[in-house]
Amino acid sequence: GQSLEQPSEVTAVEGAIVQINCTYQTSGFYGLSWYQHHDGGAPTFLSYNALDGLEETGRFSSFLSRSDSYGYLLLQELQMKDSASYFCAVRDRDGQNFVFGPGTRLSVLP
Amino acid sequence: DVKVTQSSRYLVKRTGEKVFLECVQDMDHENMFWYRQDPGLGLRLIYFSYDVKMKEKGDIPEGYSVSREKKERFSLILESASTNQTSMYLCASKRQREGAEQYFGPGTRLTVT
Repeated sequence: GQSLEQPSEVTAVEGAIVQINCTYQTSGFYGLSWYQHHDGGAPTFLSYNALDGLEETGRFSSFLSRSDSYGYLLLQELQMKDSASYFCAVRDRDGQNFVFGPGTRLSVLP
Repeated sequence: DVKVTQSSRYLVKRTGEKVFLECVQDMDHENMFWYRQDPGLGLRLIYFSYDVKMKEKGDIPEGYSVSREKKERFSLILESASTNQTSMYLCASKRQREGAEQYFGPGTRLTVT
């Protein structure tokens, strides 16, 4: 079967750094994406890793290790507005389909 | 500005009713997707479409059908709604050959009583 695992909840304080992990077992793999989802809004794309290593976009970075079937999203200088759910997603099935993880709810405290 | 819109934010239907959820994108994307989101399960793919009149089953197609008569519109149909179809439904679109970014609509919260 296909499965992705993420922690269900993470809590951190403003200004801190938090890492959200994602491990996956899928029939195919073209890359790992991360999405942010605020309640009541549309999920928005954050990053995509097709190759091993770290991708940095502002305060957010994403890492992939294909040999370990593992990736993480790193959020630095946390702000209250970062409180949201974060989903990892594997691009598989000839690269046209996506399998999502269960999501991690991040709470940023003052 | 890219946009994916869904016909309703909230919908309440009775068991056995036929339900239509509409999704429209204005980005000329080839690929469109329907997901349902449930607590602890994340987003699960119901159906997707590569092009007009093309459709493929996702992971949980049972009880659903889809229609894509125009490139910009992808409809999800519940032929006979059941209480276990109470969920948040999210539509997304993506350009076929470019990267991995999907653009999502705001979702439709469907309650079947």
